[in-house]
Amino acid sequence: GAVVSQHPSRVICKSGTSVKIECRSLDFQATTMFWYRQFPKQSLMLMATSNEGSKATYEQGVEKDKFLINHASLTLSTLTVTSAHPEDSSFYICSARVAGEETQYFGPGTRLLVL
Amino acid sequence: GQSLEQPSEVTAVEGAIVQINCTYQTSGFYGLSWYQQHDGGAPTFLSYNGLDGLEETGRFSSFLSRSDSYGYLLLQELQMKDSASYFCAVKPGTYKYIFGTGTRLKVLA
Repeated sequence: GAVVSQHPSRVICKSGTSVKIECRSLDFQATTMFWYRQFPKQSLMLMATSNEGSKATYEQGVEKDKFLINHASLTLSTLTVTSAHPEDSSFYICSARVAGEETQYFGPGTRLLVL
Repeated sequence: GQSLEQPSEVTAVEGAIVQINCTYQTSGFYGLSWYQQHDGGAPTFLSYNGLDGLEETGRFSSFLSRSDSYGYLLLQELQMKDSASYFCAVKPGTYKYIFGTGTRLKVLA
């Protein structure tokens, strides 16, 4: 149980295009989903927190107009990187949490390469 | 600022015991979690300490001292598959997590 999927697993795009990443909790309802960014051999940096049906809360320094987050249902959250640039290339990981639990269930991640 | 410090790398042999420390400085504190991440993979949850003391889950144990802003993860009977990166993470708020710098554990045969 407690499986989180992400799609796509890898994406290569041209500079200036937008990329949408989906995060789904497959067998549970996630009241809260988190989006992280991880550079090679570095730690996870929380980008934003989203609760179903409400606006995402972004961490300081994360542009909300560039990284659009939608949490439309208890099983789906999407991250759209708008007008992507090479510096946006990174490993993006989502996680989901059930209310009352401390465990975060992580998706497999999406490797984004912007050319 | 907010920070979590861990050793960058630890090496041990199969069957040994290893301790990975985590010291933190955050504006708030609800609890300390530990995650394991293999290269190229997603983090997986290992343990959570909300109160001081030791939590044991199989070969893994985690300890927290809130007064010292310190915790550790203890791995016993090391196996080759334990080679991975280990992250501590503090929950300073209800919907917020800060991850540590990560510790790469190498288990030698």
